[in-house]
Amino acid sequence: DAGITQSPRHKVTETGTPVTLRCHQTENHRYMYWYRQDPGHGLRLIHYSYGVKDTDKGEVSDGYSVSRSKTEDFLLTLESATSSQTSVYFCAISLAGGNNEQFFGPGTRLTVL
Amino acid sequence: GENVEQHPSTLSVQEGDSAVIKCTYSDSASNYFPWYKQELGKGPQLIIDIRSNVGEKKDQRIAVTLNKTAKHFSLHITETQPEDSAVYFCAAENSGYALNFGKGTSLLVTP
Repeated sequence: DAGITQSPRHKVTETGTPVTLRCHQTENHRYMYWYRQDPGHGLRLIHYSYGVKDTDKGEVSDGYSVSRSKTEDFLLTLESATSSQTSVYFCAISLAGGNNEQFFGPGTRLTVL
Repeated sequence: GENVEQHPSTLSVQEGDSAVIKCTYSDSASNYFPWYKQELGKGPQLIIDIRSNVGEKKDQRIAVTLNKTAKHFSLHITETQPEDSAVYFCAAENSGYALNFGKGTSLLVTP
């Protein structure tokens, strides 16, 4: 998985609790992305980062926030988890943006009860 | 975001036959088109990509074609094998920073 790890790999939580997912890369790639994958929707971009402390929203950013304090780490936070956020979350990295290869992590399966 | 339409959503072929998956995109500024293969329980894996300055690219049994005028691109897998069974996603560059993905094609190769 191109030097990308995600933690935790599985998580079950309750509605209303905060959740943080971590993505860690050892490739020193500038861009990092968070996607969610749901049946019938494919992969949808939540947030992305183009450098340390530089982030922007994707198409499904409501209810999510991100932080990137180091090149290697990109955190996704659900401030108050809802059942609609039950999904598989993938982190991806890219050397130089959308017109370059993106490599994906193994995913985190999140269930919100 | 810009739409990427992918067809078919499911495809079943016999081992040894060819498989073709087609995608269309709407952003005429897109210049990069990757294809991903996702096996059950794993993250998507890049298998081939094409840029707008070429019309076709081939890597062993896999080829991708691009028609920028018509805004469509296709994945061709020849001599399919059971291990080709997976979900395949096409994608198109979105404004130089991200990718827009199709909804996926579940390919089943039967022995």
